[in-house]
Amino acid sequence: DADVTQTPRNRITKTGKRIMLECSQTKGHDRMYWYRQDPGLGLRLIYYSFDVKDINKGEISDGYSVSRQAQAKFSLSLESAIPNQTALYFCATSDAGTGSSDTQYFGPGTRLTVL
Amino acid sequence: LAKTTQPISMDSYEGQEVNITCSHNNIATNDYITWYQQFPSQGPRFIIQGYKTKVTNEVASLFIPADRKSSTLSLPRVSLSDTAVYYCLVVPFSGGYNKLIFGAGTRLAVHP
Repeated sequence: DADVTQTPRNRITKTGKRIMLECSQTKGHDRMYWYRQDPGLGLRLIYYSFDVKDINKGEISDGYSVSRQAQAKFSLSLESAIPNQTALYFCATSDAGTGSSDTQYFGPGTRLTVL
Repeated sequence: LAKTTQPISMDSYEGQEVNITCSHNNIATNDYITWYQQFPSQGPRFIIQGYKTKVTNEVASLFIPADRKSSTLSLPRVSLSDTAVYYCLVVPFSGGYNKLIFGAGTRLAVHP
């Protein structure tokens, strides 16, 4: 979805380096999420934020941190990258509507390789 | 959260109707059934969501029996561009819900 952008789209780094992945959205949604996807598997939630002052851990938050700089921006950091963090990372947004469940809108993904 | 079970893969041919069934035996009263589609190297995309009976949009139909323990995503007259992974998710009614649980999904391959 073009309303959710991620930078960079591809990144190769070395073990021990600090990496930041950025996500921006123009949908005006309050909720933002970071997921990772490993080959052949579904997505797993890393962190999520319901508004600028709200940050919550997902199921696999160890080794990651996030920053919600504004409603439209949500960054994911790998403090000290390790090879098993090699994966495809997705940012998503949602805006819970009345009478229905959240629909999440995903960015194009960042392919991260840690050597 | 209710666990979902769906076939790992399916094959079809252009022009055929494809039905992907998902089981969710532990679905709760306030859960919705939601389907996403994912193309290689892209983020998942919402397809359809329903609570009971039948829902139809421009892309697909979703059939949910009265007991709601399963659901079927129906893709009419598939084309090569429908080749993707399809995820069935059970999502609680909005109210602080935080995450989607994606299983491995169903890999649909559409052949000429």
